Amino acid sequence: GAGVSQSPRYKVAKRGQDVALRCDPISGHVSLFWYQQALGQGPEFLTYFQNEAQLDKSGLPSDRFFAERPEGSVSTLKIQRTQQEDSAVYLCASSLTGDSPLHFGNGTRLTVT
Amino acid sequence: AQSVTQLDSQVPVFEEAPVELRCNYSSSVSVYLFWYVQYPNQGLQLLLKYLSGSTLVESINGFEAEFNKSQTSFHLRKPSVHISDTAEYFCAVILYNQGGKLIFGQGTELSVKP
Repeated sequence: GAGVSQSPRYKVAKRGQDVALRCDPISGHVSLFWYQQALGQGPEFLTYFQNEAQLDKSGLPSDRFFAERPEGSVSTLKIQRTQQEDSAVYLCASSLTGDSPLHFGNGTRLTVT
Repeated sequence: AQSVTQLDSQVPVFEEAPVELRCNYSSSVSVYLFWYVQYPNQGLQLLLKYLSGSTLVESINGFEAEFNKSQTSFHLRKPSVHISDTAEYFCAVILYNQGGKLIFGQGTELSVKP
């Protein structure tokens, strides 16, 4: 079946602009995660949803970052007033249950100029 | 605090040679352990996992990893690498009963040369 789909694949934003990154998880997957991967680094946890409930947002770096999953399926990560340090690949992952292995999308590469 | 340490950022190796990518973790609770592989411009793919049972786990493409609780390690090995194994490898842990949040190491870049 289809894997985790993320769009856009690449996004260039000028500093100060707002961006919205979309994630379509595997159908039926309950858990959804967002990660941030800076160049040359391992992915860093941002936030976690179980269905539509955001159970953990401890990794969001500032109040400029906001994530939602209103119907328990598609999720959107929004970054307001982007800064250069927000440049990274943003990875979405889903799993069937909380303890199942994660399936990752190909990520959205955000470049803030 | 829980953490994952990958001791080598880059590992160059010749084709058909053996390789070991090292991973150590620190945690005060039980963990599940994973290795993910990331090919250039692609997403992370699960390579193998340890949840319970036998401490030696294997992947379909010849990699294996052994969970060593006393040394808190989960090193990845392959007896003979191919050019196609060139990729970034990430060790990760999930804390037991913590909702599946993966904590990743910094990654090891495996470069296989002919």
